[in-house]
Amino acid sequence: KNQVEQSPQSLIILEGKNCTLQCNYTVSPFSNLRWYKQDTGRGPVSLTIMTFSENTKSNGRYTATLDADTKQSSLHITASQLSDSASYICVVRGPSGGSYIPTFGRGTSLIVHP
Amino acid sequence: NAGVTQTPKFQVLKTGQSMTLQCAQDMNHEYMSWYRQDPGMGLRLIHYSVGAGITDQGEVPNGYNVSRSTTEDFPLRLLSAAPSQTSVYFCASSYFAEGANYGYTFGSGTRLTVV
Repeated sequence: KNQVEQSPQSLIILEGKNCTLQCNYTVSPFSNLRWYKQDTGRGPVSLTIMTFSENTKSNGRYTATLDADTKQSSLHITASQLSDSASYICVVRGPSGGSYIPTFGRGTSLIVHP
Repeated sequence: NAGVTQTPKFQVLKTGQSMTLQCAQDMNHEYMSWYRQDPGMGLRLIHYSVGAGITDQGEVPNGYNVSRSTTEDFPLRLLSAAPSQTSVYFCASSYFAEGANYGYTFGSGTRLTVV
């Protein structure tokens, strides 16, 4: 069964600090991996999308890395801001019998304190 | 503003009632889908569609029906609401092409409570 495991489950950091969120997956074959940010009470918003051939992708202060050999991805947030407080969701897509059903991680809840 | 619009934002139903959650997008996306999000769990796919007239089941389809008569609209119908269907429902859309990688645009969600 395809699985996406994220760690840590929750994280508290001080404003201005860096942090790294982890995503391990078992989806195979693998098509692409996405990171989403979900603010409380809102729908997820896409941060990065990477295919199996890409190692890193940046979006402002967010940098995602991918190691397709070990099936691991990380999301690094630089110089955190209060607005970074949210849930970060890793989503892995692999073709499944001709359909396109992605597998969602449970998310990492990040709280940035002033 | 372009995007995915979901209505209603909040809904309370009695067990056994039926209702339709509405989803509309104005980005001409071929792919549309419905997810439910429960505490401590990842988003789970209910139904999806890769174009008008085409729908398919996701991970948790039981108790839900969908149809796709136009590119823009993808309503989700609860046939006979049960307390287990208490959840937050998200509609998402994207462009669709074999082998291509497009991010989803999510709606703001519908918070449904079944009592």
